Amino acid sequence: GIQVEQSPPDLILQEGANSTLRCNFSDSVNNLQWFHQNPWGQLINLFYIPSGTKQNGRLSATTVATERYSLLYISSSQTTDSGVYFCLPYNQGGKLIFGQGTELSVKP
Amino acid sequence: DSGVTQTPKHLITATGQRVTLRCSPRSGDLSVYWYQQSLDQGLQFLIQYYNGEERAKGNILERFSAQQFPDLHSELNLSSLELGDSALYFCASSVGVTGGYTFGSGTRLTVV
Repeated sequence: GIQVEQSPPDLILQEGANSTLRCNFSDSVNNLQWFHQNPWGQLINLFYIPSGTKQNGRLSATTVATERYSLLYISSSQTTDSGVYFCLPYNQGGKLIFGQGTELSVKP
Repeated sequence: DSGVTQTPKHLITATGQRVTLRCSPRSGDLSVYWYQQSLDQGLQFLIQYYNGEERAKGNILERFSAQQFPDLHSELNLSSLELGDSALYFCASSVGVTGGYTFGSGTRLTVV
């Protein structure tokens, strides 16, 4: 299966700061998703992004499939952004392997 | 509401017991996936079903089994439970076999 590495593993921000989370993967993929797991445990899909750049409010994501990485940008962070961010790159027929996640804590 | 329904939300049971977790996929989705999330193991892929048939298998223990029924809902059966089986169990669904995945809110299993 695809190997996934996310960095940094932990991040502490002051409210209002910006951040970039990275996801490296070991194989070519058909698609990639970013998820946010909130402090209550819910996994929320943020982006489907096999390539290119997408934006949704204060969040945006970029995947460079040829170089096997994806970035998640969080601008003007808020306390509600706290939680764990996972990326899930996948291709047809492979096992579905999540990264270990980046745990983000936004302080007021 | 993601459209993927998992029941029960919480479950407390004793070691050695057997439990069944249920998942109803989003309307129109044919694939169901089960994941286990424990504190020290992260999100582990257990098994995938597509339209009633097993499609892919991950790190699923022999004490665990799953199936997908004709109405596409799925059940994950966990037997001879051990303390280490305490975890959050997620179900996800997708239209086909290559994503995108939508997750349910999970079942938190506590084995005492």
